[in-house]
Amino acid sequence: AQTVTQSQPEMSVQEAETVTLSCTYDTSESNYYLFWYKQPPSRQMILVIRQEAYKQQNATENRFSVNFQKAAKSFSLKISDSQLGDTAMYFCAFRVNFGNEKLTFGTGTRLTIIP
Amino acid sequence: DTGVSQDPRHKITKRGQNVTFRCDPISEHNRLYWYRQTLGQGPEFLTYFQNEAQLEKSRLLSDRFSAERPKGSFSTLEIQRTEQGDSAMYLCASSLDPGISNYGYTFGSGTRLTVV
Repeated sequence: AQTVTQSQPEMSVQEAETVTLSCTYDTSESNYYLFWYKQPPSRQMILVIRQEAYKQQNATENRFSVNFQKAAKSFSLKISDSQLGDTAMYFCAFRVNFGNEKLTFGTGTRLTIIP
Repeated sequence: DTGVSQDPRHKITKRGQNVTFRCDPISEHNRLYWYRQTLGQGPEFLTYFQNEAQLEKSRLLSDRFSAERPKGSFSTLEIQRTEQGDSAMYLCASSLDPGISNYGYTFGSGTRLTVV
């Protein structure tokens, strides 16, 4: 079974600063995907960024980037030039690349951007 | 097609009553998932469908829970004899077959259930 751990329940940062959210996972699989999802207050969960385990290059999407350390089973999210709209719960998630592709989520990090 | 729709957004029910939630996925998505999210936790997998076939159910899904996806389109999740521990956000998500696209899930806004 897979587990995902997010050790930072809450974080806050000043607008325009950079923040890094941590995530570690445990699996015996070699072929999998990792995701960061954002869940704004009372709104639906949306995908922020995804990483294929077989790719060594870290994924980047505009202000969002990841630091994927496969050997350490670590998958952190960096948000650069943070904006007020980044305020949300952020969930790290894992899925294997076969079968039903269900997601295993961490417990989340509540991020607040301070004006 | 504006995404995954869930109805109702909120449901308050008395303990022991039955409730049913509906999910309308993105029309071309053949996979549909149900998750449950309790306060302060990440979503937990409940069940999933490929077209009309229910292919996996979590041990979290007790006998009081049943899900259907007739004709492979919308899905319903029914909870019978609700208990206070059923209070949660119930999330629906849909996706294309990963063999076709690996862009991942699209989530709905969820149905928040409160059992009093």
